[in-house]
Amino acid sequence: EAQVTQNPRYLITVTGKKLTVTCSQNMNHEYMSWYRQDPGLGLRQIYYSMNVEVTDKGDVPEGYKVSRKEKRNFPLILESPSPNQTSLYFCASRWNTEAFFGQGTRLTVV
Amino acid sequence: DAKTTQPTSMDCAEGRAANLPCNHSTISGNEYVYWYRQIHSQGPQYIIHGLKNNETNEMASLIITEDRKSSTLILPHATLRDTAVYYCIVRGGSYNNNDMRFGAGTRLTVKP
Repeated sequence: EAQVTQNPRYLITVTGKKLTVTCSQNMNHEYMSWYRQDPGLGLRQIYYSMNVEVTDKGDVPEGYKVSRKEKRNFPLILESPSPNQTSLYFCASRWNTEAFFGQGTRLTVV
Repeated sequence: DAKTTQPTSMDCAEGRAANLPCNHSTISGNEYVYWYRQIHSQGPQYIIHGLKNNETNEMASLIITEDRKSSTLILPHATLRDTAVYYCIVRGGSYNNNDMRFGAGTRLTVKP
C-alpha cells in the first residue's frame, strides 16, 4: 500500500531538548516536503526536497533542519525546540501530480 | 503559484450534490488546478486535478471554466463523511515545481 509514515504521532517535549520526527515513503518519490498546521494559519511549508541531498527552505524554516540522505526518508529535526513550535506537522511526498500526506505528528513543547 | 479564493464555509444536505467554487483569476497557461481535502486533523487527501478539460473520478468531478479563471469541485452525492476542509490549489505542471501553497480552504459541513 502506498503510504507516507510519520513517527511519532504524538510527542510532548521540553524546551531545548533536541528531537527528530521521522518521515518515510514507499513510493520511490523524489519530492518530499514538511508542513506545519496551526489554527488560523493553515498549512505552511517548512522545507522541501527535490531529490537526495537536495533540500530547500519553504515559507517557515526557522528553527528546523532537514536531511535527505536517501530517497525514502526525510526527517525533520528540531535542534532546540521552543513553545512556538507546538503544532501539527505533516510530511508529504509526490512524483509529478498528486501528493501523499502522512497522518501527522502532534508536537507539544512545554 | 497563482492565488486562489474560496468561500470560508458551506453547508450541504446529505445525499445532495456539493458544489465548491474556487477563483484563480491569475492562473497561467501551464498551471493545473488541484483539489485536496482534510478531514478533521488527518493528512490532506488528494481528490482530483485538471488543466482545462473537465475531469471526473470516483470521488468527484472538476469543472473548469473556459477562461480557466475559476473552477468548481462537485461531490455528486455528499455523505456525512465528506465533511472536511477542501483546498483548491494551483500549481505548475512540471515535476520540479515546488509544492503546493495551501490557503484557508472551504469548510464543508454535510448535514443529515
